[in-house]
Amino acid sequence: KQEVTQIPAALSVPEGENLVLNCSFTDSAIYNLQWFRQDPGKGLTSLLLIQSSQREQTSGRLNASLDKSSGRSTLYIAASQPGDSATYLCAVRDDYKLSFGAGTTVTVRA
Amino acid sequence: NAGVMQNPRHLVRRRGQEARLRCSPMKGHSHVYWYRQLPEEGLKFMVYLQKENIIDESGMPKERFSAEFPKEGPSILRIQQVVRGDSAAYFCASSPAFGTVSTEAFFGQGTRLTVV
Repeated sequence: KQEVTQIPAALSVPEGENLVLNCSFTDSAIYNLQWFRQDPGKGLTSLLLIQSSQREQTSGRLNASLDKSSGRSTLYIAASQPGDSATYLCAVRDDYKLSFGAGTTVTVRA
Repeated sequence: NAGVMQNPRHLVRRRGQEARLRCSPMKGHSHVYWYRQLPEEGLKFMVYLQKENIIDESGMPKERFSAEFPKEGPSILRIQQVVRGDSAAYFCASSPAFGTVSTEAFFGQGTRLTVV
């Protein structure tokens, strides 16, 4: 059974600082890994998808890396802004099923 | 192209009543997944459906919960005789095909069920 862990559970940084969010998973036989953003009381917004054969993906200030053999992914957010405050979820796909971590709640202080 | 549409967004039910949650997948998507997010917990897989077929319901409680995805119309998650522990956010996702390395899941805004 796939287990996904996200560390830290919460993070508070001043505006402008870079963010590093970690995700680990137990079974490396994955199809892909997806990072989502969830605002309080809202749905999930897909940020980045990394296919199992890829090492990283970039979108604007976001960069995600994947080391499948060690079961790890890292999401980097450069030059954080107050609007980046949200919960970030990592999910790995095994065939059709997504397994989620519990998330990292980020607060960016102005 | 509208995204995944869920309704209602908020649902309040008294204990013992039935709750019906609806999900319309993105246009062109024939695969629907339901996930539940309990307070302070991560999202948990409940059920995977294709049109008129339940593919995997391993995450669904054995009693009181059922799901369907008819040939016409939205997917329905039905909870009979709700209890306080059913209070959660229920999310629907859709995809165009079986899982591949490039398959991306698109989620709806969720239905927040409160049982009073």
